[in-house]
Amino acid sequence: GAGVSQTPSNKVTEKGKYVELRCDPISGHTALYWYRQSLGQGPEFLIYFQGTGAADDSGLPNDRFFAVRPEGSVSTLKIQRTERGDSAVYLCASSTGSGANVLTFGAGSRLTVL
Amino acid sequence: KQEVTQIPAALSVPEGENLVLNCSFTDSAIYNLQWFRQDPGKGLTSLLLIQSSQREQTSGRLNASLDKSSGRSTLYIAASQPGDSATYLCAVSPGDYKLSFGAGTTVTVRA
Repeated sequence: GAGVSQTPSNKVTEKGKYVELRCDPISGHTALYWYRQSLGQGPEFLIYFQGTGAADDSGLPNDRFFAVRPEGSVSTLKIQRTERGDSAVYLCASSTGSGANVLTFGAGSRLTVL
Repeated sequence: KQEVTQIPAALSVPEGENLVLNCSFTDSAIYNLQWFRQDPGKGLTSLLLIQSSQREQTSGRLNASLDKSSGRSTLYIAASQPGDSATYLCAVSPGDYKLSFGAGTTVTVRA
């Protein structure tokens, strides 16, 4: 596609529920990234995919967070047993994975846990 | 751990005034530095990318300088317009995908 597409744009859920956030990267971009932005702060790195595999998941805060990219394109960030502290904007970005490797960000998915 | 600080946190100026946004980082071993713009409810738009070997980059009314040794970058926006109102984020990269962001400077340009 023309840009990075993220769905849903807004998600409100109750504490303890399971949530999935989807990212559709730019066609042909092999690298995909998830970042999390809490209110009033800059984005923080969560996980990086090169192709289908998670090359670096060191930013995932705990084992309630998991992400997949089974076919090397669309990625899903999964959050189990959500907590109020998970409330944030989850940003996805993609890049060619080489050269200047400029990241193109999506509009984000705003998650609110009540 | 890389720490990125942006000062001021917020800035309000009348239309036509020049804007000066500051970014500092603690670890000078960076590969590049980027300035992004973020509008409410929107993603990040890359404005300028400066490689560590460069001193500055320019795009239209925007100019960004980089002093890697002192860990500082400055974004200048000339002749500000109301449409420049947004949050501006600076991010540094050690050469891979892990961008370290500052908290941003929220700019309001008054008509």
